[in-house]
Amino acid sequence: AQSVTQPDIHITVSEGASLELRCNYSYGATPYLFWYVQSPGQGLQLLLKYFSGDTLVQGIKGFEAEFKRSQSSFNLRKPSVHWSDAAEYFCAVGEGNAGNMLTFGGGTRLMVKP
Amino acid sequence: DSGVTQTPKHLITATGQRVTLRCSPRSGDLSVYWYQQSLDQGLQFLIQYYNGEERAKGNILERFSAQQFPDLHSELNLSSLELGDSALYFCASSVVSGSNEQFFGPGTRLTVL
Repeated sequence: AQSVTQPDIHITVSEGASLELRCNYSYGATPYLFWYVQSPGQGLQLLLKYFSGDTLVQGIKGFEAEFKRSQSSFNLRKPSVHWSDAAEYFCAVGEGNAGNMLTFGGGTRLMVKP
Repeated sequence: DSGVTQTPKHLITATGQRVTLRCSPRSGDLSVYWYQQSLDQGLQFLIQYYNGEERAKGNILERFSAQQFPDLHSELNLSSLELGDSALYFCASSVVSGSNEQFFGPGTRLTVL
């Protein structure tokens, strides 16, 4: 069974600082990988996705993520965090063959200090 | 705005009761997914429908059921409600079945008292 681990439950960074959110997955085949963001009281918004090809993917709001097969990781990065980035971030893996469902990590809550 | 709508936004009910949550997918999307988000279980996939037919099942309780109608809207029925069913229920939709981008609705917050 596939699984997703986000080791950091909470992260606090200063505005303007760089950010890296960690995500490790367990999946037998080539995974479909996603990062979603959830603002308080809101649904989930897709930041970026990896299906194949270039292992560095660019997303919305200045985010990027790098797929590293050897480390089973798909870490999310942003060079300079803005106060509006404060939210909860979820990494997810989709089943490659059926692609029917997303398995989510536990989430990382990001707080931004002024 | 993802284009996925869910009603109601909030629902408060008592244990033992039955409720129905409704989801309208984005225009053109054939696939609908239901997820439950709770504090202790996190975000969990419940069930998927594609063009009216059940396509995949996740951690969905037997007390829960869903269907997708010819106009592609979907309903999630929760019965014999327990306190532990209190959660945020999300609907998502995608164009076709498969790990294409899923667009999430704003969710229905269910509180069971």
